[in-house]
Amino acid sequence: NAGVTQTPKFRVLKTGQSMTLLCAQDMNHEYMYWYRQDPGMGLRLIHYSVGEGTTAKGEVPDGYNVSRLKKQNFLLGLESAAPSQTSVYFCASLTEGRPYEQYFGPGTRLTVT
Amino acid sequence: GENVEQHPSTLSVQEGDSAVIKCTYSDSASNYFPWYKQELGKGPQLIIDIRSNVGEKKDQRIAVTLNKTAKHFSLHITETQPEDSAVYFCAASTGSARQLTFGSGTQLTVLP
Repeated sequence: NAGVTQTPKFRVLKTGQSMTLLCAQDMNHEYMYWYRQDPGMGLRLIHYSVGEGTTAKGEVPDGYNVSRLKKQNFLLGLESAAPSQTSVYFCASLTEGRPYEQYFGPGTRLTVT
Repeated sequence: GENVEQHPSTLSVQEGDSAVIKCTYSDSASNYFPWYKQELGKGPQLIIDIRSNVGEKKDQRIAVTLNKTAKHFSLHITETQPEDSAVYFCAASTGSARQLTFGSGTQLTVLP
């Protein structure tokens, strides 16, 4: 079991460029989440999904889009990156066995110049 | 929406001493309160959690207490060790999708 994996680990973008972050989980979890982590602000929810084909907005969704075409994958897209999107991005998924515990991936560090 | 406040932002203790981190939440509908430990360069990892129908839970050197009336919960670490040094986050869960709202984190340093 790899758990939750994220691709890539690091990325540098120029303002206006686009990219997609990939989250994959092999635990057959229904729920998946994208968070961003900024210094002194904890983790903030960007978007989430309660199942294949579903997505919903979290606390800070502006500038991001998501897709959940397959149950095991949750993609986070930045269409036109801005310096304010410089952050560490974490993906998480929710276990069925203990229905409240979220498992987190190792993170993607994104810098927008 | 939910708002979670966490104090202190930094905490230094001597090895063997106890550490206490406190959080308050605003939404009385929140029903699950996890604590996560994050080591440098890694994702958060659950260390203990408590449901709203329980007042206290303990797991070896770690305990969590919940006061629903006052809307606050605390993490207690006893007999601290250098490997306890990390950033700790509290969170509150509400909503049908079990979304988490996180506190701003506490950098715990255990001095040998």
